[in-house]
Amino acid sequence: DADVTQTPRNRITKTGKRIMLECSQTKGHDRMYWYRQDPGLGLRLIYYSFDVKDINKGEISDGYSVSRQAQAKFSLSLESAIPNQTALYFCATSDLTGVGEQFFGPGTRLTVL
Amino acid sequence: GQNIDQPTEMTATEGAIVQINCTYQTSGFNGLFWYQQHAGEAPTFLSYNVLDGLEEKGRFSSFLSRSKGYSYLLLKELQMKDSASYLCAVRDGDYQLIWGAGTKLIIKP
Repeated sequence: DADVTQTPRNRITKTGKRIMLECSQTKGHDRMYWYRQDPGLGLRLIYYSFDVKDINKGEISDGYSVSRQAQAKFSLSLESAIPNQTALYFCATSDLTGVGEQFFGPGTRLTVL
Repeated sequence: GQNIDQPTEMTATEGAIVQINCTYQTSGFNGLFWYQQHAGEAPTFLSYNVLDGLEEKGRFSSFLSRSKGYSYLLLKELQMKDSASYLCAVRDGDYQLIWGAGTKLIIKP
């Protein structure tokens, strides 16, 4: 089974709708992240969380919110989706051991019409 | 400002060697990562450098020069499955990764 899972894998929605993307991990990591990826751009950090009680904004948090329901679960919400939020969204986890590399989920392809 | 530069696209021949360069300007430096990303899939970790020099891992090697703000990823004995994007990322401080846009590597038979 995958260590980091995301649901849904694909979603098409309309402008103004509220959307939730979910992420679960079995790696036991405390740190979790949400990124978006757009063609020609690097991964951009939306939000990150170092533990259940710790939520922090990344460089592009406007229009998004998150919830860390448990160590293993971190969800991303688009309160009122707009077309420029069409992108590939990745959840990632890391811990403090080793080099601290990030492990990514398979991604959610979101299209806002 | 924070900036990471990589070539947008490179082409190489199966069995050959290719070097993908990455230059960076960041406010802090706490390590440089290389990731591989096949089209439509998640990035996967390849290598990490925090000290100057070369790190070798099988067919892949990564080099870092902190004074020059420069790294490269060297891929030897190229295989068709190496066709992917290669992402360079710098850890700025404790956690935050600054990502390059990635280099799309096309392998031709």
